[in-house]
Amino acid sequence: QSVLTQPPSVSGAPGQRVTISCTGSSSNIGAGYDVHWYQQLPGTAPKLVIYRNSNRPSGVPDRISGSKSGTSASLAITGLQAEDEADYYCQSYDSSLSGSGVFGTGTRVTVL
Amino acid sequence: QGQLAQSGAEVKKPGASVKVSCKASGYTFISYVITWVRQAPGQGLEWMGRIYVDNGNTHYAQKFQGRVTMTTDTSTTTAYMELRGLRSDDTAVYFCARATSSYEGDHFDYWGQGTLVTVSS
Repeated sequence: QSVLTQPPSVSGAPGQRVTISCTGSSSNIGAGYDVHWYQQLPGTAPKLVIYRNSNRPSGVPDRISGSKSGTSASLAITGLQAEDEADYYCQSYDSSLSGSGVFGTGTRVTVL
Repeated sequence: QGQLAQSGAEVKKPGASVKVSCKASGYTFISYVITWVRQAPGQGLEWMGRIYVDNGNTHYAQKFQGRVTMTTDTSTTTAYMELRGLRSDDTAVYFCARATSSYEGDHFDYWGQGTLVTVSS
């Protein structure tokens, strides 16, 4: 099981704002390690949408933003659109697992 | 623009081994780290390990220690992941991804398309 916990699902109507939490501990997010976020559409590879807590790669709309505080991080999507419907995963590093990369449990975003 | 192209789907019997390839193009292969991630059907992403292409050093998740070997061939800019002693719960899509730096907590900017490995008797 993952050491980074996300809500299984969040939903919102078009135009609304949704947030996804990623809760870790003192050996990963709380230790200062960066958090990154990926969007995965069905049957495709994950796509990076936020890196190093709050940075957007080129081409990712500014409707998507990230933040980090303490032992948690969050991804926010404002002005929700149908194309945002996907699974989202956070990713970080954990020093207690012999130094391993770790992913969150994943969150399905549904546009109502 | 970098790309990672993986080998095709595999069907294996329990106890067998599988070797998945990941050919890199469009960037300096030796300057980056390749990570392997898998995703069982309907499940989340699972980090398997990484290989530092410049020196061949590897770091595997504890769960796969002793069963997985990651290698690279710099002459063909190809990375490989071999998993031995396959079990039914190894059925998954296996992804390779490029880490943007040698910092172990860094992100993955390029991903392969994934390789489905099915383990069935």
